[in-house]
Amino acid sequence: DAKTTQPPSMDCAEGRAANLPCNHSTISGNEYVYWYRQIHSQGPQYIIHGLKNNETNEMASLIITEDRKSSTLILPHATLRDTAVYYCIVTLEGAQKLVFGQGTRLTINP
Amino acid sequence: NAGVTQTPKFQVLKTGQSMTLQCAQDMNHNSMYWYRQDPGMGLRLIYYSASEGTTDKGEVPNGYNVSRLNKREFSLRLESAAPSQTSVYFCASSRDKVPHSYNEQFFGPGTRLTVL
Repeated sequence: DAKTTQPPSMDCAEGRAANLPCNHSTISGNEYVYWYRQIHSQGPQYIIHGLKNNETNEMASLIITEDRKSSTLILPHATLRDTAVYYCIVTLEGAQKLVFGQGTRLTINP
Repeated sequence: NAGVTQTPKFQVLKTGQSMTLQCAQDMNHNSMYWYRQDPGMGLRLIYYSASEGTTDKGEVPNGYNVSRLNKREFSLRLESAAPSQTSVYFCASSRDKVPHSYNEQFFGPGTRLTVL
């Protein structure tokens, strides 16, 4: 699985868009980018995933660069409940092993 | 649906004691997983079970055993607990890998284990 690099922490004002970057320069052609988050020591929660096209769901948007070496998770209107650790994971589709790094601790400020 | 449930929520053991962490899911998932999370760290895979009757080692299997009792239940056993096993343990489940689909993992609330 490709290694990912994320900033250890970020802050964002409530109501603004939170943009979380992830570098995965060694990603291979058949590996997907997944995002999970973990709110205050709860179990992680799936957010979104993508291969090369941008993706959007009810929680977030995922922007993947054309060379696929980096991506950005966008929370369009962050709320206090979005304060969590966000993990960017690169793995094969349907892979049964998720390799969690240390993630980005996102703090949403009122 | 309760999703993924884990028992107990908290446990304190003395070095050398044994215990079993229980996990159950009601989503008819085929695959189940055990992870541990140490303070300030990401999750690390201990063991997983791709289907009923099969188990495989993950990244950090030493000191643990698992049993896939049936499709719903996947237990993790510590035979002789050590302080290095103090951690939060998460169980997860997912569907089988199917063509053109992803394999979202659903996590339980965790068991907080302290070994003195």
